[in-house]
Amino acid sequence: DVKVTQSSRYLVKRTGEKVFLECVQDMDHENMFWYRQDPGLGLRLIYFSYDVKMKEKGDIPEGYSVSREKKERFSLILESASTNQTSMYLCASSQLTGMDTQYFGPGTRLTVL
Amino acid sequence: DQQVKQNSPSLSVQEGRISILNCDYTNSMFDYFLWYKKYPAEGPTFLISISSIKDKNEDGRFTVFLNKSAKHLSLHIVPSQPGDSAVYFCAASNTGNQFYFGTGTSLTVIP
Repeated sequence: DVKVTQSSRYLVKRTGEKVFLECVQDMDHENMFWYRQDPGLGLRLIYFSYDVKMKEKGDIPEGYSVSREKKERFSLILESASTNQTSMYLCASSQLTGMDTQYFGPGTRLTVL
Repeated sequence: DQQVKQNSPSLSVQEGRISILNCDYTNSMFDYFLWYKKYPAEGPTFLISISSIKDKNEDGRFTVFLNKSAKHLSLHIVPSQPGDSAVYFCAASNTGNQFYFGTGTSLTVIP
C-alpha cells in the first residue's frame, strides 16, 4: 500500500512565523506535489518536484518555497506566514506525471492567526 | 481561471438510486481524467480514471463517461450507498503535465 504521511494534522501559527510542512512517501515515487484546498476553489497546485533537488512552480507559488533533499521527502515552507495562508495543505506523490494516479496524504489543517 | 469546473457544489440521493456527478473542462488538450473521493479529515483517494481514447470506463458500481466534443465528463454511481457520502473531485491533465482539479461536489446518500 502506498503511504504518504504528513508531519502534522493540525497546526496553529502566528502571522510572520516561518512554517515547515513535511511530507514523506514510502513508494519510491519520482514526483511529489503540494496542494492547498480551499472551499469553492478545490485543490490548487503550489509546487511540485519530479526529482531530488528539482522543483517546479504550480499555479499559486507566491509566499511559498519547497525543498526536496531526499527522494522520499518534500517540504513546504512558508517563509513568513500570513492569515490568507490559512488552509488545508495536501501532499501527494506519483510515479509518473500526467497519466498516473496521485496518492495523497491526510492533509495538514494550518491556521495562521 | 478554472480549467476544470464542477458546477454542483452538493448533491443528495436516496440509497439505491443513481448518483450522477458532472464535470466540465475548457482545455481541449486534456487527455487524461480522474475522479477522486475525499472523506472529511482524510486526503483524496483515487476512484476511477479515463483516457481520451475512450468514452466510458467502468469499475464495479462506478462508471465514468467522457464526451470530448462537449468537454464534459460524468461519474455515475449505481446503486448509491451511504458510504459513498463524500466530496468528489474530478481532475484533468495534458499527458506529462500537472493535474487540474475541480472545486468538488459533496454527495450525500440518504439511507
